[in-house]
Amino acid sequence: SQTIHQWPATLVQPVGSPLSLECTVEGTSNPNLYWYRQAAGRGLQLLFYSVGIGQISSEVPQNLSASRPQDRQFILSSKKLLLSDSGFYLCAWTSAPPGTDTQYFGPGTRLTVL
Amino acid sequence: KNEVEQSPQNLTAQEGEFITINCSYSVGISALHWLQQHPGGGIVSLFMLSSGKKKHGRLIATINIQEKHSSLHITASHPRDSAVYICASLNYGGATNKLIFGTGTLLAVQP
Repeated sequence: SQTIHQWPATLVQPVGSPLSLECTVEGTSNPNLYWYRQAAGRGLQLLFYSVGIGQISSEVPQNLSASRPQDRQFILSSKKLLLSDSGFYLCAWTSAPPGTDTQYFGPGTRLTVL
Repeated sequence: KNEVEQSPQNLTAQEGEFITINCSYSVGISALHWLQQHPGGGIVSLFMLSSGKKKHGRLIATINIQEKHSSLHITASHPRDSAVYICASLNYGGATNKLIFGTGTLLAVQP
């Protein structure tokens, strides 16, 4: 069966510090991978998606970046965090080819920037 | 750009009550998701539907494509149903699919 992991579960970081969140998927190959952010009091927002290794599409301009160094690994990064980066970050996957009817979400990372 | 709206934003019910949560969207979509977010933050996909009705246990989801509207019903509600329920429109776009989310409905079922 497929599982999706996110690391870390919670994180408190000072403004201006770097960020690295990791998402890994097991039990499937060539997944479509997504990073979402849920800010306090707001709905989920798609940040990045990837259809393959090294292929990243950005949905919203921001100071975050994403990378996919391996087929089942998706990383969200920042060089300098802002207060507005605080939120709940969720990774999700769907199986390739496109059209699969379910997105599977990871447990999420709660980021607080102070 | 598709706008997804949910109502109500907050809902309190007594155990056993029949619950309806509504979702409307502004442009044509490929399908619509209903998701459940537990207090700890984890999200579970409940339904994806593109027409008609789907049922799973005490949960029923319906969609009216012409009216751009979907509803999630919970029969015989229970305190363990307390969660945030989120609808999201799905548009197939080339190599991937994208979800646009509503802001969610916070449901509290009291014993």
